[in-house]
Amino acid sequence: QSALTQPASVSGSPGQSITISCTGTSSDVGSYNLVSWYQQHPGKAPKLMIYEVSKRPSGVSNRFSGSKSGNTASLTISGLQAEDEADYYCCSYAGSSTFGVFGGGTKLTVL
Amino acid sequence: EVQLVESGGGLVKPGGSLRLSCAASGFTFSSYSMNWVRQAPGKGLEWVSSISSSSSYIYYADSVKGRFTISRDNAKNSLYLQMNSLRAEDTAVYYCARGYDYGDPGSDYWGQGTLVTVSS
Repeated sequence: QSALTQPASVSGSPGQSITISCTGTSSDVGSYNLVSWYQQHPGKAPKLMIYEVSKRPSGVSNRFSGSKSGNTASLTISGLQAEDEADYYCCSYAGSSTFGVFGGGTKLTVL
Repeated sequence: EVQLVESGGGLVKPGGSLRLSCAASGFTFSSYSMNWVRQAPGKGLEWVSSISSSSSYIYYADSVKGRFTISRDNAKNSLYLQMNSLRAEDTAVYYCARGYDYGDPGSDYWGQGTLVTVSS
């Protein structure tokens, strides 16, 4: 069960857009539209931001969007705000034998 | 309001056992799959185990398979994780989380976590 690959860090200025990638394989991200994204502030529990690749839960800002191409899923945050500074994790279904796998996480810094 | 409250964490010696509990409220517990996710100090999230609403389907990460057992009691709105043969690398905050869809490891609500420390 190898973790999905995310960049360790990304940064952007307020108002800008950033994209965080999540690269898996044809056994997980590439085969299923079951990728979710989580935001985690220090000392807090994760919060669901995107599910099923591109769906937003009720209450999540439309500045957050998700997509997928091949074995790579992406989270885009537009109009960056200071409160977006957090760690972000992707998660994917990986088949009935492995079931779930997370990415290593990406630290977003708002400059 | 959906609430998930974990308990049972603490300090345990290598090779020891611990049972985590998660008390759920604010939703129909018996209708949802449930997940355990852990986070080692300063590290990322790791999916640990999932159980379907009726306990018919259970999944484990390779790192805990054969040592951990997930279970639930729908009458008591409770989720459990029995952890045996604990190792130092099992040290982490363990989160109980509600699955939003059968067959998907994702979670829409999370507890605040309970810390498990494995050390001699």
